[in-house]
Amino acid sequence: AQRVTQPEKLLSVFKGAPVELKCNYSYSGSPELFWYVQYSRQRLQLLLRHISRESIKGFTADLNKGETSFHLKKPFAQEEDSAMYYCALKGLTGGGNKLTFGTGTQLKVEL
Amino acid sequence: KAGVTQTPRYLIKTRGQQVTLSCSPISGHRSVSWYQQTPGQGLQFLFEYFSETQRNKGNFPGRFSGRQFSNSRSEMNVSTLELGDSALYLCASSLAGILNEQYFGPGTRLTVT
Repeated sequence: AQRVTQPEKLLSVFKGAPVELKCNYSYSGSPELFWYVQYSRQRLQLLLRHISRESIKGFTADLNKGETSFHLKKPFAQEEDSAMYYCALKGLTGGGNKLTFGTGTQLKVEL
Repeated sequence: KAGVTQTPRYLIKTRGQQVTLSCSPISGHRSVSWYQQTPGQGLQFLFEYFSETQRNKGNFPGRFSGRQFSNSRSEMNVSTLELGDSALYLCASSLAGILNEQYFGPGTRLTVT
């Protein structure tokens, strides 16, 4: 079974402060991990995926297979980062395009 | 390139009725997946269609069904609606191959009264 856990429903930080959104997963095979973001009144969109190993909008995430984690980090939060963030997992062995999502973390960046 | 479109955007139905939602993928995309989003359960996978065949299915009752047409457009149907079916239904499309990015539509907001 696939499971994604995001322990924080809401994370509030001040502008310029570091951000870390936590994500842990459970999957017996080879996973692909993603972070999706949903800004207010916009559709869900991909922020980054672990196989790309790139930084998007200053965000990075490293897959730690030992700790089964894929935490999202940004050194300096910006007001425009306020949004809902979802961690998601896709199985690379026979799973097709099925995404298993975490419950999401609402990031609020305060001035 | 036009994004994923879903129709209708809003729908109100009565318990016991059935409903059909439509999804038009990005041109060239052959995989279409459906998700249900509710405040209580979050985003849950319903099913995926690829080349008119169901490739994957989530843990939903048989009242939830779908299909895909030769032009890759997809529909999902919910029969005998229940109050708990009230949700935002999202559709996502991607190119063939599981390493390709999925693009989400704006969703259809279904309210069951």
